[in-house]
Amino acid sequence: EAGVAQSPRYKIIEKRQSVAFWCNPISGHATLYWYQQILGQGPKLLIQFQNNGVVDDSQLPKDRFSAERLKGVDSTLKIQPAKLEDSAVYLCASSLGENSPLHFGNGTRLTVT
Amino acid sequence: DQQVKQNSPSLSVQEGRISILNCDYTNSMFDYFLWYKKYPAEGPTFLISISSIKDKNEDGRFTVFLNKSAKHLSLHIVPSQPGDSAVYFCAASYQAGTALIFGKGTTLSVSS
Repeated sequence: EAGVAQSPRYKIIEKRQSVAFWCNPISGHATLYWYQQILGQGPKLLIQFQNNGVVDDSQLPKDRFSAERLKGVDSTLKIQPAKLEDSAVYLCASSLGENSPLHFGNGTRLTVT
Repeated sequence: DQQVKQNSPSLSVQEGRISILNCDYTNSMFDYFLWYKKYPAEGPTFLISISSIKDKNEDGRFTVFLNKSAKHLSLHIVPSQPGDSAVYFCAASYQAGTALIFGKGTTLSVSS
């Protein structure tokens, strides 16, 4: 089966600019996650979708981050405006449902200068 | 406050020997535990999982042990191979359908 697809792989922007990441989950996976992984840390959840509804966005910095999952398939994550501390790898993952393993994409490495 | 802790940042093992990676957690409500492996420039890959109703799960060279009273789990790799060299993340969820909480990872180096 095809894995989780993410684009772009790398992005370099200046602080205060905006950026968007795209994710296409594994076909049939209803649950989609966005994680942020800062260098030397484990992945940290930003937002979880079930189909096109938000399940958990408690750790999403909503003043600058937004995410949507239209039609319950693809998802986009946006940062506007970016800060230096947003430099990280942004990972998208999907799963079949409860107590099913998450399958991760290769991530987007964001560098904010 | 970290709910999932991997206190050893790195581990070095010789090929053919056993690798033991450890993980501690603080939330007694966690009921599902997983290990992920990550190579550079790739996303984490699922390795093995265990439910809180079990104390051991085995898959080939990989075995996960869960000690609920100690809030501790470990991943055993036997025998270790150079291709096992990667960062290993321990993760847990405390309610069915909720997202995983990850530790900081342990870098395993297997030398030939």
